[in-house]
Amino acid sequence: EAGVAQSPRYKIIEKRQSVAFWCNPISGHATLYWYQQILGQGPKLLIQFQNNGVVDDSQLPKDRFSAERLKGVDSTLKIQPAKLEDSAVYLCASSSEGLGNEKLFFGSGTQLSVL
Amino acid sequence: GNSVTQMEGPVTLSEEAFLTINCTYTATGYPSLFWYVQYPGEGLQLLLKATKADDKGSNKGFEATYRKETTSFHLEKGSVQVSDSAVYFCALTKGYQKVTFGTGTKLQVIP
Repeated sequence: EAGVAQSPRYKIIEKRQSVAFWCNPISGHATLYWYQQILGQGPKLLIQFQNNGVVDDSQLPKDRFSAERLKGVDSTLKIQPAKLEDSAVYLCASSSEGLGNEKLFFGSGTQLSVL
Repeated sequence: GNSVTQMEGPVTLSEEAFLTINCTYTATGYPSLFWYVQYPGEGLQLLLKATKADDKGSNKGFEATYRKETTSFHLEKGSVQVSDSAVYFCALTKGYQKVTFGTGTKLQVIP
């Protein structure tokens, strides 16, 4: 079974530039998550999709972050413009139904450095 | 709101030593509890879980028991190996609420 695919693996940009991350979840998984993991902290949920609808985006900084999941499969997370404090690992995860006690499957993440 | 508190790391142990990583939580009712592990260069993966009080989750020699009376879910392993070196995250969720993660505890096992 193929896992959650993310790209790019690493990205270095200057502040005020824009950046985009891509995620392809496990085939058939209805629920897709984007997490931000700042060094020394646990992952923080940015946005959760159920198919192509947003379930929770309460912690997404909507003035600069946006995400979409067209056709309910792969997803793109964008930051525009980036700030220094956006330096983090961005993790994509998926699960089959989005139920609370389900196992999450994570990708390897995109490490973003904002200079 | 929900929260998870883990012991700070890094934890350094010799091979075959006993491991305990403490985790306590704050949540109403009966959340589901998890331990995720992140090996170097890889994504997080589920290690074990427990969904009700007194349940014991176990996998790869690791165990954790859901203790409602102490709101704890401590991770234990009787004899660690070098290959167990990783970052361990305690997490909880309840119903359809988002998963809340602890800050992670780095474990380093030396030969």
